[in-house]
Amino acid sequence: EVQLVESGGGLVQPGGSLRLSCAASGFTFSSYWMSWVRQAPGKGLEWVANIKQDGSEKYYVDSVKGRFTISRDNAKNSLYLQMNSLGAEDTAVYYCARVVVVIAPYYHYYYMDVWGKGTTVTVSS
Amino acid sequence: DIQMTQSPSSLSASVGDRVTITCRASQSIGTYLNWYQQKPGKAPKLLIYAASSLQSGVPSRFSGSGSGTDFTLTISSLQPEDFAAYYCQQSYSTLWTFGQGTQVQIK
Repeated sequence: EVQLVESGGGLVQPGGSLRLSCAASGFTFSSYWMSWVRQAPGKGLEWVANIKQDGSEKYYVDSVKGRFTISRDNAKNSLYLQMNSLGAEDTAVYYCARVVVVIAPYYHYYYMDVWGKGTTVTVSS
Repeated sequence: DIQMTQSPSSLSASVGDRVTITCRASQSIGTYLNWYQQKPGKAPKLLIYAASSLQSGVPSRFSGSGSGTDFTLTISSLQPEDFAAYYCQQSYSTLWTFGQGTQVQIK
């Protein structure tokens, strides 16, 4: 069964740090781009970051650039999100997602087809 | 950044109704548009990718259309399990964005 399981969420003080993990199973992890998406309480979905299969390309939403770092360990089938300088605006459920890439001569479609259940991050004093 | 705007933000409908949700991009994104469904307390679920391709296992009452800046998600006959939030998402740029969501409620 294809599965993603997030962990590492919790309560952290403003200005603090937290490292989220996402354990993948049931598929060849090293063959897929991966994403982090978050959802603040009562709000919509916000894409946070993407990482290429070998980690050579990483992209971030502007609001987390310089504070968050996405990484992966293909040997451990794991995805990570290091979050520093956390603020109240980072309070959210964080989901990891598998990214499917369909590449053809004239297009390259990306979409998130498998999602974890999420881990909750609360930034509060 | 590419802004995605959904309308309406919420709607009330009855079982059996035909429902249409619109998503507009701030610039042309071709057909690099995906749709997700999210139920309360659950992770999002992929419904449609590349604007009109139905994800495996998704009922055929869901369909997507559009290209450029204007897209629609249609539910041909609303079922009780379809009451949820729906989000569009663009993957045209390297910085992805979601629409703000459309809540489909029971009338």
